[in-house]
Amino acid sequence: DQQVKQNSPSLSVQEGRISILNCDYTNSMFDYFLWYKKYPAEGPTFLISISSIKDKNEDGRFTVFLNKSAKHLSLHIVPSQPGDSAVYFCAASAGRAGTASKLTFGTGTRLQVTL
Amino acid sequence: DSGVTQTPKHLITATGQRVTLRCSPRSGDLSVYWYQQSLDQGLQFLIQYYNGEERAKGNILERFSAQQFPDLHSELNLSSLELGDSALYFCASSSHTGELFFGEGSRLTVL
Repeated sequence: DQQVKQNSPSLSVQEGRISILNCDYTNSMFDYFLWYKKYPAEGPTFLISISSIKDKNEDGRFTVFLNKSAKHLSLHIVPSQPGDSAVYFCAASAGRAGTASKLTFGTGTRLQVTL
Repeated sequence: DSGVTQTPKHLITATGQRVTLRCSPRSGDLSVYWYQQSLDQGLQFLIQYYNGEERAKGNILERFSAQQFPDLHSELNLSSLELGDSALYFCASSSHTGELFFGEGSRLTVL
């Protein structure tokens, strides 16, 4: 049972345009959401997060939107750059901090930013 | 560089064999997590250790076991290997904020 779903396995966007990556979840207990970015031959790295008490969090070119009623979040990258080409994982947890936290990951979306 | 070190980076072995994957967390991090990424699958949580004690368990098979040593490094032991165990195995450590820092992964191929 996939509690965190990324239904688009891949996405291609032109440089300078907006990239929108989507993620849906089913577990109502999730209250903290993160996006991780993964380059080939490297481990995932933390990109941006959002708590369920917010509906938007922005960090430079990256913005995450959370729609709790729809159990949906999205990552917007504006403007997209070739260096953004990577696999993006959405992750969620029930309880953010603490040693008992563990994340449930989606299957990832491969973003390709073309020139 | 996340500060989390995993060895080996690549491992090829045969069905029925046993392997050990090793992880050194970031300096100061007490928690270690193991994740498995199979083809077309997300990162599946296997197990978490905190300061030497098992803290949480995910979808870890009985053929797999892990431990965390007093120096906080961790080992994931995979035994009676099957073709389906071929995957990328990631270790991560976390700070007091809960943010995870991943190693580069160990790619296991079972032939």
